[in-house]
Parts: sequence; structure tokens; C-alpha cells
Amino acid sequence: DIQMTQSPSSLSASIGDRVTITCRASENVINYINWYQLKPGSAPKLLIYTTSNLQDGVPSRFSGSESGPDFTLTISSLQPEDFATYLCLQTYTTPWTFGQGTKVEVK
Amino acid sequence: EVHVEESGGGSVQPGRSLRLSCTTSGFTFGDYSMSWFRQAPGKGLEWVGFIRDKDYGETTEYAASVEGRFSISRDDSKGIAYLQMDSLKTEDTAFYYCSRAPWGSYRYFPDYWGQGTLVTVSS
Repeated sequence: DIQMTQSPSSLSASIGDRVTITCRASENVINYINWYQLKPGSAPKLLIYTTSNLQDGVPSRFSGSESGPDFTLTISSLQPEDFATYLCLQTYTTPWTFGQGTKVEVK
Repeated sequence: EVHVEESGGGSVQPGRSLRLSCTTSGFTFGDYSMSWFRQAPGKGLEWVGFIRDKDYGETTEYAASVEGRFSISRDDSKGIAYLQMDSLKTEDTAFYYCSRAPWGSYRYFPDYWGQGTLVTVSS
């Protein structure tokens, strides 16, 4: 199975901060990495699909990129509604596998 | 508006069966593959399996942890996907989520998810 290593596991940030979260795959996943936002009691929300495509309705402060083996989710200017847990998911091959998650908390 | 909602969760004894439903609206259900995921208490999200749409023969794939015990089916006329869970184990206790899985750039990417339904397996 492909292992997704996500970092950091948590971070503290302030409104307006730039936030970067990274996932690295144990094998080549081409660019089939998707990013989700999780909030308690709510359905997981797709933010970015296939590395860098912004899902419809998602604010443009969210972006995804790739550099070598690393896939990155960036929030350019953190907003109050962005405090949540973020997950990456590889769908290159089954079993699809998730990163461990990054909890973004208020500093 | 796309809507996905899971139902059918509850408490069940080990070895018994349970069927979850994933009811959808707001899109042409038959055009999409559907996937199931779960999250056990204190654990991360885990992919359970998916069912392709009829153009791909409604074929299914499963995680090794549920292969042979769980099966996914669909009723395109009703816009519902099902997760049949047999021979349940205590380690199957989790919130179960359903998602639509569009095909894009030669792979699926789960987009719209439900809020989940809780399955508790305990004696």
C-alpha cells in the first residue's frame, strides 16, 4: 500500500497567516493527490483535486502544488473559518490512502 | 445542489450484518462511481471500497480489511448506493461515509461526501 506522510500533524496560526501543509507519498502517485477539509459534525469538503485543481466554490486562497516528491496545500491568508483539520488522499491506485491529517489551530 | 446522505447505522453484535444506504440527489447518479470510507474512534480516515458506474460494469474494489465481508451495490433508479456489511467485527466500529467519485484526468477523485453514519459493533 502507498503510505502518505503528512506534516505537520498540527500547527498554530493567526488570521492572515500563510499556512503550508505537505504530503509525501512512499511511491509514485503521479499527481493524483486530493486535499480535504474536515470539521466536526460536517461532511469532509474537497478543496483541491489532482494536485492543483481548485474545487468549485472553494475560495482562491486555497491552492495546491507539487515539488519533487512533496505535495503541498497552501492557504495564502488564513481566515476564521479555516481552523479545521486537513487531509491528503492519493487516488492513484487502490487501496486509496490518506495522510494522517494536520490540525490547524488558533495561535 | 449535490446532496449525499448516509443512513442505516446502529449498534450490532459481532458476527451479525448491517446494510448502510447512501441516498443522493442533485446529479445524475448513474453517471458516477461511488465510494465508501470509514473513521474509527481516534483513528484516521480509511478507504473501504467503491463501485464503478454502469459504463464500467458496476465493478467493485475493496480494502483488504473488508474484502469478502463487505459488498457495495447500487440502484441507479433510486440514486442509492449500499454497503452490505457481513460478519462484523468489533474493529469495524466507525463512522461510515459515502462519497461521489467523479472520473477526471484518468483517475477518480471523491468530491461530495455525506456527514456519516455511526456503526458500533459490540457484544
